Amino acid sequence: SQQGEEDPQALSIQEGENATMNCSYKTSINNLQWYRQNSGRGLVHLILIRSNEREKHSGRLRVTLDTSKKSSSLLITASRAADTASYFCATDPTGGFKTIFGAGTRLFVKA
Amino acid sequence: NAGVTQTPKFQVLKTGQSMTLQCAQDMNHEYMSWYRQDPGMGLRLIHYSVGAGITDQGEVPNGYNVSRSTTEDFPLRLLSAAPSQTSVYFCASRPPGTYLYNEQFFGPGTRLTVL
Repeated sequence: SQQGEEDPQALSIQEGENATMNCSYKTSINNLQWYRQNSGRGLVHLILIRSNEREKHSGRLRVTLDTSKKSSSLLITASRAADTASYFCATDPTGGFKTIFGAGTRLFVKA
Repeated sequence: NAGVTQTPKFQVLKTGQSMTLQCAQDMNHEYMSWYRQDPGMGLRLIHYSVGAGITDQGEVPNGYNVSRSTTEDFPLRLLSAAPSQTSVYFCASRPPGTYLYNEQFFGPGTRLTVL
């Protein structure tokens, strides 16, 4: 069963706007990861946030984690057409090695 | 480094045939895993390995076998292919040390169609 659920399923914005994607999960975790997948390609790691962290930044990316609500958000600021892709959250549950992925958010950035 | 490589890129099988999907990494990563991705869905874990000689089942292991005789290679075997196994298969690896705090590196995928 899928632990990560992402919202929205699809998002269409104009270049320069910010994009926010949300991820919810069900069990306690060691960490939460965000990945990007361009059409027909493999996944590329974007950022990993540990369970004891609340916020993390990497370039135009900002990730927050709320373990009390079992949720995370990914913010992409000043989006570009090249950001068009699917974005997935993934969690490593406590006590195991079985990473669980969400169904993803499809982001389309219009030039 | 070549990273994580997968062969073949595309494969068409008939129901009942068997085949092996190859995965290799040259980064000395101890943790390796196999996922499948169905249309419009995220990845689901099939099998994983935390080191040579050690494998374990993931979320959807039925119909698949794995082995890990070396650190570099982690082949996935389809025993008797079924149309339900039509999917894109991804192999991934993680750096050694504290697996749970390291990201995964993914291969380019194998697109499998079972007729």
